[in-house]
Amino acid sequence: EAEVAQSPRYKITEKSQAVAFWCDPISGHATLYWYRQILGQGPELLVQFQDESVVDDSQLPKDRFSAERLKGVDSTLKIQPAELGDSAMYLCASSLGLSNEQFFGPGTRLTVL
Amino acid sequence: DQQVKQNSPSLSVQEGRISILNCDYTNSMFDYFLWYKKYPAEGPTFLISISSIKDKNEDGRFTVFLNKSAKHLSLHIVPSQPGDSAVYFCAASGSGSGNTGKLIFGQGTTLQVKP
Repeated sequence: EAEVAQSPRYKITEKSQAVAFWCDPISGHATLYWYRQILGQGPELLVQFQDESVVDDSQLPKDRFSAERLKGVDSTLKIQPAELGDSAMYLCASSLGLSNEQFFGPGTRLTVL
Repeated sequence: DQQVKQNSPSLSVQEGRISILNCDYTNSMFDYFLWYKKYPAEGPTFLISISSIKDKNEDGRFTVFLNKSAKHLSLHIVPSQPGDSAVYFCAASGSGSGNTGKLIFGQGTTLQVKP
């Protein structure tokens, strides 16, 4: 069964360092989402791509976060510099289009010390 | 402003009994609602959904009920099994979220099913 792949699964970094997360969506899925889930809360959308274009990045802290999906397939989310409050689970999801069923990857657990 | 709320952080039920998880929303523009299930160290997995034109959708042991006038939905699991123990997220989308497929999630309810 096709799955969304994410790496790394776990990342520990010190504040002010740069971190990057990678996501490979299900083959053929045009829409890709990055969510952040803080412990005890539900996932919150950071950025959404339709192919290589950004559809929604209204909740992305653009002073330190960046995301790209250059060829409209896999995607990278970067944080520079990391802050203590960035500790969270970063989830990638994909869907065929702007449909409602999104398939999630296993996430990257980020700890900022 | 929490547009989707799950007011019960946790729920414990006995195996074989019914589990009822509740969710409230504030934005009347939402027209599609979903439940996701999440195990530790895994991403959320889609469970069941309902469109606003319906008031009930059933899939095996899982049934979702939608009360639009009350802006309330619930997930019923009957009978509950120990393997159902997980965090359950309610999510909503529709023109109220910009109609881009963006999901607005509740805070989650941790369900524990005791053998």
